[in-house]
Amino acid sequence: DTAVSQTPKYLVTQMGNDKSIKCEQNLGHDTMYWYKQDSKKFLKIMFSYNNKELIINETVPNRFSPKSPDKAHLNLHINSLELGDSAVYFCASWRQSTGELFFGEGSRLTVL
Amino acid sequence: DAKTTQPPSMDCAEGRAANLPCNHSTISGNEYVYWYRQIHSQGPQYIIHGLKNNETNEMASLIITEDRKSSTLILPHATLRDTAVYYCIVRISGGYQKVTFGTGTKLQVIP
Repeated sequence: DTAVSQTPKYLVTQMGNDKSIKCEQNLGHDTMYWYKQDSKKFLKIMFSYNNKELIINETVPNRFSPKSPDKAHLNLHINSLELGDSAVYFCASWRQSTGELFFGEGSRLTVL
Repeated sequence: DAKTTQPPSMDCAEGRAANLPCNHSTISGNEYVYWYRQIHSQGPQYIIHGLKNNETNEMASLIITEDRKSSTLILPHATLRDTAVYYCIVRISGGYQKVTFGTGTKLQVIP
C-alpha cells in the first residue's frame, strides 16, 4: 500500500476553472502538508494541518482552500485557476516521533 | 528553521563514494540535521537525520562536525539511481513547524 497517495497524478485544465487534488495517508499521522514545486524546482510549503486543524498557512492566495475531512485526508481545492498555478503539488505526512516527512508522488497541474 | 547552504551541483563516478556537504552555521542546540532527496520530480524521500552523533542507515551515513555547523552526507557506493537533488534541512524534531527546502545539490552519478 502506498503510504501517501495523491489523485490525480496529472491534471490539465483551462484558466478560470476550479479543480481539486486529493491526498490520503495510511500512516496514522496527525499532521499533513501541501507543497508546491514550480518550474524552477523550488519546493514551497503552502499549508499544514494537524488533526483537521489548519496550523500553517504560508501567504497562499485565498483561491487555494485546503480541506481536511479527517486526519488521514488533506485535499486541496483551487478556484479560478491561473497560468501561474501550473506546478507539481506534493502532499506530505509527518511522523512526529522522528520528524520525518513522507511525500506523495505529486500531482502535476497544467493550466492552459 | 536555520538556513543551510549547499553546492548547487556535484558529480560522482559510479561505484565511488559521494560526499555531499552542507553548512548550517546558525543551527540551534535543539535542531536536527535532516537529509532528503528528490529523484526526477518524484516526491522527496527521507534519507537520514542526526543531532550531533554520526549516523548510518542502509541508505547513507551522516557525519556532523563537532561544532555542528556543517555536515556531510555520504553515499558509500553511488549508483546511477542515486542521481537526484539532495536537500539538507535543519529543524527541531518535534512540534508543529514548517519544513523549508532550499535549492539542494544536484548529484549526477556518472557511469
